[in-house]
Amino acid sequence: TQLLEQSPQFLSIQEGENLTVYCNSSSVFSSLQWYRQEPGEGPVLLVTVVTGGEVKKLKRLTFQFGDARKDSSLHITAAQPGDTGLYLCAARAGGYNKLIFGAGTRLAVHP
Amino acid sequence: GAVVSQHPSWVICKSGTSVKIECRSLDFQATTMFWYRQFPKQSLMLMATSNEGSKATYEQGVEKDKFLINHASLTLSTLTVTSAHPEDSSFYICSARDQAGATVNTQYFGPGTRLTVL
Repeated sequence: TQLLEQSPQFLSIQEGENLTVYCNSSSVFSSLQWYRQEPGEGPVLLVTVVTGGEVKKLKRLTFQFGDARKDSSLHITAAQPGDTGLYLCAARAGGYNKLIFGAGTRLAVHP
Repeated sequence: GAVVSQHPSWVICKSGTSVKIECRSLDFQATTMFWYRQFPKQSLMLMATSNEGSKATYEQGVEKDKFLINHASLTLSTLTVTSAHPEDSSFYICSARDQAGATVNTQYFGPGTRLTVL
């Protein structure tokens, strides 16, 4: 079983629509990160959330960390084709504070 | 921000040969580096944690004799895929953790290496 469950796995929407991606776990994390990855490239860090209930905004992206620090969400407002990519949540677990990734949500925004 | 490079960016090899992939932190020192593997349409799976000057720690199910990791300096880790087979074809991504400064413990990712084994 995955430590981090992401949903949905795939999302295909039209430009201008809103969407929310979820990242859930039964474990409590000291922090959680969201990454975006484009084909053939490494993941790029979007945000780190640390405090339970925290909300962070990055232009049209809104990130929320659950009060219990077990889950997080990413909301995109008025999606654009440039938002297309693989969105990954990640958290530290185990020895060496290894960064473990969720399965990812593959987003396609059509013009 | 900090930069992590990988070389080569892509490689094609014949089955049975060995391939070495380099991961370098260009403007910071990294005691710890991580190697991930990503199959098409899937997420990143951690293979091993590489520690400078000591043996790597491998995740369950990853063969340490097949995926040799060497972390000889604070800015370089290498992953050697020995006796590669077509099932080893994948996207290999390294990550380096910044040890000091304002971005301490931030993990930076390389651009990945696409390995294709024929």
